This record gives sequence, C-alpha cells and structure tokens, in this order.
Amino acid sequence: KQEVTQIPAALSVPEGENLVLNCSFTDSAIYNLQWFRQDPGKGLTSLLLIQSSQREQTSGRLNASLDKSSGRSTLYIAASQPGDSATYLCAVRGGNTPLVFGKGTRLSVIA
Amino acid sequence: GAVVSQHPSWVICKSGTSVKIECRSLDFQATTMFWYRQFPKQSLMLMATSNEGSKATYEQGVEKDKFLINHASLTLSTLTVTSAHPEDSSFYICSAPVSQVNQPQHFGDGTRLSIL
Repeated sequence: KQEVTQIPAALSVPEGENLVLNCSFTDSAIYNLQWFRQDPGKGLTSLLLIQSSQREQTSGRLNASLDKSSGRSTLYIAASQPGDSATYLCAVRGGNTPLVFGKGTRLSVIA
Repeated sequence: GAVVSQHPSWVICKSGTSVKIECRSLDFQATTMFWYRQFPKQSLMLMATSNEGSKATYEQGVEKDKFLINHASLTLSTLTVTSAHPEDSSFYICSAPVSQVNQPQHFGDGTRLSIL
C-alpha cells in the first residue's frame, strides 16, 4: 500500500528565504506526482505535476523535482513571500487510481 | 482547463439531519469521481470512489449506509451524509480526474460540514 510522508510537518521562515519541502513515497511504481497548495478552510490548488518520466517541473518561483527510483520529491520555493503561507500537499498517483496524499507541510512566511 | 464545482461550500445543521453534497465536472465527463474527507490538520483520506452507472467503492472503515454516493450522470456525483452526528463534522472534498492519466487531477473547493 502506497504511503506518502512529508517533512517537515511545519516550517516558519522569514520573508525572502529560499526553502525546500520534502516528500517521500514507498512504492516507486507511480504515474505522476502532484504538489498542491491548500489555504485554511479551502480546497486544493494544483501547483505542479511531474510525470514519472520527468525529473523536474518549474512554475515561477516554484521548482519540483522527482527521483522516482528513490521515492522522493522536493518542492523548492525561491524568495518566499508572506502570501506563500499555506499548507503544501504532495500526492502520488498510480494508474487509474485516486491520489494518495501526504499529511502536508504547514508553511508560515514571516514578513 | 478542467474545473470541478462542489456545492455547498459550508453547511451547519442539527444532529440527525441528512446533508447532500454535489460534485460536478464542468467541462469534461468523469466516469469516476473520488470523495475525500479531511479532519483538522490532517491529510486528505479517500472515502470512496464514485462510478457512473455502478455502485460506489468504499474504503475500509467507511460506512456505505452512512455515506450514500450516487453518480447520477457523467458530470455529477453526490455524497449524502445520512443522519449526521457531530463526529461527522469535517471537510469533504471531491475530485474528478480527466480521462488521461498524465493530466493533473482537479478538485472541488470542498464542503465544510458542521453538525451541532
């Protein structure tokens, strides 16, 4: 059974700092990995999708990498801003199956 | 792009009430939709898979008589929480994957259910 772990569970950084969020998964037989953002009491916003054949994806200040063989992904946020404060969720998909989520990393960027 | 609409966004009701939540795929057809539940500061846990034209598939520990799922059409799935109790208070969110497995999975905005 696929299990997804995210480290750290919570992170607080000063504005402007670069940071890395970590995600690991136990079964490397995945189709893709998706990073989401969730604001308190809100739904999910898809940030980046990495296919199993890809190594990384970039969108603005966000860069996500994938090492499928070792079961790891990282989300890099450059020049963090207070508006980046949210919970970041990592989820993996294996075929036509639902996503399996990690518990998320709660990020606070302090102005 | 693919959009999933979920309604209502917030429900507050008395214990014993049944509550229906709708999930619609707005510009694509979804033969499968997923229902998740999220407790405070926890991750999303899959409750059930809704299948158009057939019975829903429930995850272990989820009561099918408590959480009724109806996939009425290729664009609509409903989750009914029957005789809701305070312990059913949670954030419920649906997802409808597009047919291509290499496309992002899109989610509704969620429904916050509070049972008094």
